[in-house]
Amino acid sequence: DAKTTQPNSMESNEEEPVHLPCNHSTISGTDYIHWYRQLPSQGPEYVIHGLTSNVNNRMASLAIAEDRKSSTLILHRATLRDAAVYYCILRVRAPGGSQGNLIFGKGTKLSVKP
Amino acid sequence: DTGVSQDPRHKITKRGQNVTFRCDPISEHNRLYWYRQTLGQGPEFLTYFQNEAQLEKSRLLSDRFSAERPKGSFSTLEIQRTEQGDSAMYLCASSLTTGSDNQPQHFGDGTRLSIL
Repeated sequence: DAKTTQPNSMESNEEEPVHLPCNHSTISGTDYIHWYRQLPSQGPEYVIHGLTSNVNNRMASLAIAEDRKSSTLILHRATLRDAAVYYCILRVRAPGGSQGNLIFGKGTKLSVKP
Repeated sequence: DTGVSQDPRHKITKRGQNVTFRCDPISEHNRLYWYRQTLGQGPEFLTYFQNEAQLEKSRLLSDRFSAERPKGSFSTLEIQRTEQGDSAMYLCASSLTTGSDNQPQHFGDGTRLSIL
């Protein structure tokens, strides 16, 4: 799987939007961009994924650059419960939809101040 | 939805002892994954099953490690002759392969292993 680069840490204020960047300059045309987060003392939790178009769900939005070499996870209004490590992961789109393990980096540790 | 369940949540043992962890995936999920996570690092893949078949094993999975999923439901991960370096959080995840791409993996909260 191709490599992703994320800042080690970011800070945000409660109720403000948060933009978490991810660089993936070696992404291939078949790689999906996935985001997971891990709250303290819990297992990782799926957040969102996309291929080319921007995506929205109840948790977050994913903005993908036109050249797909970078993406941004957007939390529209940060809450204290959003304090977590956020992982940006590339997954290969295999024939037949087969997919295997996730390859995690160190992620971005997000702190939210009240 | 009861989620992915792991047991025990914590395990403390002496070096050289054997330990076994259990994972109960979400009931209809046919894929089950094991990961290991050390402090300050992201999870690292160990192995995964599709139904009862073990399809891939990482180089991290030494011959002291063995995983089973005998009936395609729950899975066990056994570590024999534990070493200090085995101290970590062991995470289990499951997913449903339907033929469509990129189904998310659902993780349990892990078993934290401490080797004395």
